[in-house]
Amino acid sequence: GQSLEQPSEVTAVEGAIVQINCTYQTSGFYGLSWYQQHDGGAPTFLSYNALDGLEETGRFSSFLSRSDSYGYLLLQELQMKDSASYFCAVRDDNYGQNFVFGPGTRLSVLP
Amino acid sequence: GAGVSQSPSNKVTEKGKDVELRCDPISGHTALYWYRQRLGQGLEFLIYFQGNSAPDKSGLPSDRFSAERTGESVSTLTIQRTQQEDSAVYLCASSPFRSGGEGYGYTFGSGTRLTVV
Repeated sequence: GQSLEQPSEVTAVEGAIVQINCTYQTSGFYGLSWYQQHDGGAPTFLSYNALDGLEETGRFSSFLSRSDSYGYLLLQELQMKDSASYFCAVRDDNYGQNFVFGPGTRLSVLP
Repeated sequence: GAGVSQSPSNKVTEKGKDVELRCDPISGHTALYWYRQRLGQGLEFLIYFQGNSAPDKSGLPSDRFSAERTGESVSTLTIQRTQQEDSAVYLCASSPFRSGGEGYGYTFGSGTRLTVV
């Protein structure tokens, strides 16, 4: 099967930089995605990495190392509105075309 | 439509009753997914539809759960003889499906919060 691990909680202050790690175990890895979910809201797509390296989108960047089965989401210049849960998700071609989601990391941004 | 629409937004039902949840995907999105999210938990895959292909039902937790989709439009998720452990938010998502389409991600609806009492 597949398994993903993320820290359950991360706390940081406004303006800081925070990194949320994700390690995964799959047999047919295809890609890694990140989603943001505010309390009571729908998950929203942030990024997708299929190849090794860093993808940057504004204040958010996502990194993937396929050889290490590891990725991270980097949030810079943290704002209060970034307080949310962040989920990594992997697609494993041996298990169909759906993404399997990690347990989520709850980020709290303090003033 | 502009986004993925789910109805009802909230549903309270008595244990043992059947419920039907509806999802309207974004027009033109051929792929549709149902996920379940228990309070404070991650997203649990239930079922996936892609065009006219046979759906991937591998995530359905029991035979009380079923889903249908007509072509590339509306989908309904039906839970028969509901149990208290079915209480969760049921999320629907759609995405365009073409080679490399994973980069577009899923667009989720706001979900149906189901409470079984």
